Amino acid sequence: DIQMTQSPSTLSASVGDRVTITCRASQSITTWLAWYQQKPGKAPKVLIYHASSLESGVPSRFSGSGSGTEFTLTISSLQPDDFATYYCQQYDSYSLTFGPGTKVDIK
Amino acid sequence: EVQLLESGGGLVQPGGSLRLSCAASGFTFSRYAMNWVRQPPGKGLEWVSSISTSGSSTYYADSVNGRFTISRDHSKNTLYLQMSSLRAEDTALYYCAKFRSANPDAFEIWGQGTMVIVSS
Repeated sequence: DIQMTQSPSTLSASVGDRVTITCRASQSITTWLAWYQQKPGKAPKVLIYHASSLESGVPSRFSGSGSGTEFTLTISSLQPDDFATYYCQQYDSYSLTFGPGTKVDIK
Repeated sequence: EVQLLESGGGLVQPGGSLRLSCAASGFTFSRYAMNWVRQPPGKGLEWVSSISTSGSSTYYADSVNGRFTISRDHSKNTLYLQMSSLRAEDTALYYCAKFRSANPDAFEIWGQGTMVIVSS
């Protein structure tokens, strides 16, 4: 199985900050990677698919990059609505796997 | 509006069985592979199972393989997860999720989840 790691596990930031989260795969997944945002008590919401494609309706301050084994999610200017937990997920092969999550909280 | 609505969760004893259902609406159900993803309380997301558009191909996480069975009924636009030999570690919120396409892809749409608690 492909293992996914994320760093950091927790990130404290202020409104307006530029935030970057890193996701690494244990083997190459080309660009078969998605990013999700989850708020407490809610289902996850897809932000990015195919590593860098922005899901319809998602604000343009979110962007994704990377290929192979290293990927990043960037929030260009953190907004109050963005405090949440973020997960990466690979869909290169079954079994599908998620990263452990990165919690973005208020500094 | 695209919608997924799970049901069937509840409290079950270790070793017991439960069947989850996911009613789909607002899209052509037969054109998309479908999935179950779970989240234990306070923990991260874990993919559980996927089923192809036709239902002929199914995939399972090692943690549930041999105990859970995924299926779909196109006449009812419904996805199922039959769970047996349940263990305490199966306690989680179970989400039904739709891929963006017929192939393995990002999970585009999620239901609200149904809670399964395995406890004596």
